Amino acid sequence: AQKITQTQPGMFVQEKEAVTLDCTYDTSDPSYGLFWYKQPSSGEMIFLIYQGSYDQQNATEGRYSLNFQKARKSANLVISASQLGDSAMYFCAMTLRSGGGADGLTFGKGTHLIIQP
Amino acid sequence: DTAVSQTPKYLVTQMGNDKSIKCEQNLGHDTMYWYKQDSKKFLKIMFSYNNKELIINETVPNRFSPKSPDKAHLNLHINSLELGDSAVYFCASSQWETNTGELFFGEGSRLTVL
Repeated sequence: AQKITQTQPGMFVQEKEAVTLDCTYDTSDPSYGLFWYKQPSSGEMIFLIYQGSYDQQNATEGRYSLNFQKARKSANLVISASQLGDSAMYFCAMTLRSGGGADGLTFGKGTHLIIQP
Repeated sequence: DTAVSQTPKYLVTQMGNDKSIKCEQNLGHDTMYWYKQDSKKFLKIMFSYNNKELIINETVPNRFSPKSPDKAHLNLHINSLELGDSAVYFCASSQWETNTGELFFGEGSRLTVL
């Protein structure tokens, strides 16, 4: 079974600094997808970024980038120039079948990020 | 227009009662899910349906019964509610064949059992 590990329960970061949120995963399946979701205090789940296991380049979406190190089985999220609105829970997640199915996502325990002015 | 909508958003009830949460998606997806988020914010899949067929049924008490009348709807009925059922329940949807397998989440339904 797949497993996602997020080792940082909480982080405090100064506004405008870059942030790296750690995520490691464990699977023996060669085909998988990795995701990051943001959950602000209002509770909704917001999709941020996706990386497929066969993607050659690291994914980027605006201020978000995913540092994908396949050999290390890590998929860290990097947020550049952090803003107060980035304060939220961040979840790393994985699906075994990159490209669909009904397996859903397996989530890590999350990192609570607080941006300080 | 809300893509995945859940009702009710908040539910407060007594132990032993029966309650239902409804979910509807207008994204044209064929796969829907229920996730439970506990007090420590951990998200765990409970059920998944593809075209009204149950695909995933995790180790969930049989007091929880999902029902999918069509591929746009997935409801969750809970019998004999217990204190430990207090959580936020998220409905989500996706498309079986897709580029990524991304899940689209509803806003969540916060269930409090007293």
